[in-house]
Amino acid sequence: EDQVTQSPEALRLQEGESSSLNCSYTVSGLRGLFWYRQDPGKGPEFLFTLYSAGEEKEKERLKATLTKKESFLHITAPKPEDSATYLCAVQFNQAGTALIFGKGTTLSVSS
Amino acid sequence: NAGVTQTPKFQVLKTGQSMTLQCAQDMNHNSMYWYRQDPGMGLRLIYYSASEGTTDKGEVPNGYNVSRLNKREFSLRLESAAPSQTSVYFCASSDQGSNQPQHFGDGTRLSIL
Repeated sequence: EDQVTQSPEALRLQEGESSSLNCSYTVSGLRGLFWYRQDPGKGPEFLFTLYSAGEEKEKERLKATLTKKESFLHITAPKPEDSATYLCAVQFNQAGTALIFGKGTTLSVSS
Repeated sequence: NAGVTQTPKFQVLKTGQSMTLQCAQDMNHNSMYWYRQDPGMGLRLIYYSASEGTTDKGEVPNGYNVSRLNKREFSLRLESAAPSQTSVYFCASSDQGSNQPQHFGDGTRLSIL
């Protein structure tokens, strides 16, 4: 069973069509939940860290939220340049500083 | 700012050959990591070094060795490459302590024939 699950696997949006990506986790003792963006042929680029339920972080058209066992990445009025794979990762007490990654959601935004 | 630099960017090996992947960071981070990324599998931790002089196994360490050469550099070695090690390898670094984000290089694309 995957410890971190992201859905959907792929998402196609029209420019301006808002939506949300989901990341759920089964681990206990969460230390932090991280969102990354990955462009083709590049390494993951850090976006946000969330530490506790109820926390929210924003950056341009992206807003990340955290509940007890899941996180959402809301994309408001997306543009084609938001097209990328979005990765979620968790860090929990028993694993030190290691990150457990989900498989990602590939977002395509067309104009 | 260079951040995390990985060399080489691409490599093709034959089964049984050895290879060292190099990683250097210029952010004065204490912790460094090696991941592999395979289609449908996500990023998986191979080895990490919480601080200079220490290394620990991650989720998929078999077939690999690492060396933390100094605070800046962390290398990954394949002693006898196998086709199952065909993957994209990413190095990352972070400040010491929990909740610190990891910052990634752009990867080494390795094919083993």
